[in-house]
Amino acid sequence: EAGVTQSPTHLIKTRGQQATLRCSPISGHTSVYWYQQALGLGLQFLLWYDEGEERNRGNFPPRFSGRQFPNYSSELNVNALELEDSALYLCASSLAGRDEQFFGPGTRLTVL
Amino acid sequence: GENVGLHLPTLSVQEGDNSIINCAYSNSASDYFIWYKQESGKGPQFIIDIRSNMDKRQGQRVTVLLNKTVKHLSLQIAATQPGDSAVYFCAEIRSGGYQKVTFGTGTKLQVIP
Repeated sequence: EAGVTQSPTHLIKTRGQQATLRCSPISGHTSVYWYQQALGLGLQFLLWYDEGEERNRGNFPPRFSGRQFPNYSSELNVNALELEDSALYLCASSLAGRDEQFFGPGTRLTVL
Repeated sequence: GENVGLHLPTLSVQEGDNSIINCAYSNSASDYFIWYKQESGKGPQFIIDIRSNMDKRQGQRVTVLLNKTVKHLSLQIAATQPGDSAVYFCAEIRSGGYQKVTFGTGTKLQVIP
């Protein structure tokens, strides 16, 4: 069974640009979670999508947004990039109503 | 505020010895706790979980202990192996209408051959 996949692996942007990160959950999983992992910090919860709807949001500004598609894949969009947005962005998926989350390998975003 | 933290940022253990990684949490309403392992260049991997109505759970070579009185969680790894070298995170989950997961900063486990 294929795990959670994310693309791209690495992404380099400049300040003010926009970044789009993609995630495909494990087949059958309807919930997708996005986390930011900055260097030296723990995972910070960004967004949770389930059945196409945003269920919960972490303490991040509105320029962090996303969506979940009918096939349960998801996009994370970061507008007006700032240097501090440089981090590893992790996506996780879970079965509906289950707490265990399975993580993808992450997208390394570098903002110059 | 609510936070999940770890007592020891780095832990060095001799191969074959047992490892104990600790985690403190502050929200007594948490339902569920998970330990994740993150190897370099990879996403976190689920190791073991425990519900708030339990105080101990065992897996293969790993045991998680939960002390709700002092809001403390620990991960014990028996007979530590070089492949156990990684960063370990505890995660605190609160359900009830919505789900929110809070992770600690992680403990780096270094296994000395």
